Amino acid sequence: AQTVTQSQPEMSVQEAETVTLSCTYDTSESDYYLFWYKQPPSRQMILVIRQEAYKQQNATENRFSVNFQKAAKSFSLKISDSQLGDAAMYFCAYRSNSGGSNYKLTFGKGTLLTVNP
Amino acid sequence: KAGVTQTPRYLIKTRGQQVTLSCSPISGHRSVSWYQQTPGQGLQFLFEYFSETQRNKGNFPGRFSGRQFSNSRSEMNVSTLELGDSALYLCASSLAFRSEQYFGPGTRLTVT
Repeated sequence: AQTVTQSQPEMSVQEAETVTLSCTYDTSESDYYLFWYKQPPSRQMILVIRQEAYKQQNATENRFSVNFQKAAKSFSLKISDSQLGDAAMYFCAYRSNSGGSNYKLTFGKGTLLTVNP
Repeated sequence: KAGVTQTPRYLIKTRGQQVTLSCSPISGHRSVSWYQQTPGQGLQFLFEYFSETQRNKGNFPGRFSGRQFSNSRSEMNVSTLELGDSALYLCASSLAFRSEQYFGPGTRLTVT
């Protein structure tokens, strides 16, 4: 079974600074997706960024980028120029992409990010 | 395009009762997944439906059930409620079962 580990329960960053959230995962599969979801106090889960395992290039979405290290099974999220609206719980998630598999999302426990003005 | 909607948003029930939660996916989406979120266990997969068929089920007791209708709307039912069923129940929809999942705002269930 796949597992996702987020070793930082809480992180804080100053507004306009950069912060990196860590995530490691365990799988025996080679075809899968990794995601970062953001859950603000409103509780709505929002997709931040996704990475396909077969793509070597790291995904980027505006101020959000990932460092995907497939061999190390590491998938960190970098938030540049942090804004107050970035404050939320961030979840790393894994999803198999192998034919016939269960396409459920497996989540880490989350990292609570605080942005200080 | 409207997002995923879930009703009701908040619910308070008593132990032993049963509850039905509803999820309307994004228009055109045919797959619906349900997740339970608790402080202790985090986010756990309940089940997934595609074209009215349950494709996968998580490790939850038989008290948890669900179904999907022909218009892709989904309901989940929890019978004989226990205190431990208190949680945020999240529904996610996707175009197909291998597509990206978009989440609704959740239903906060409190069992007293």
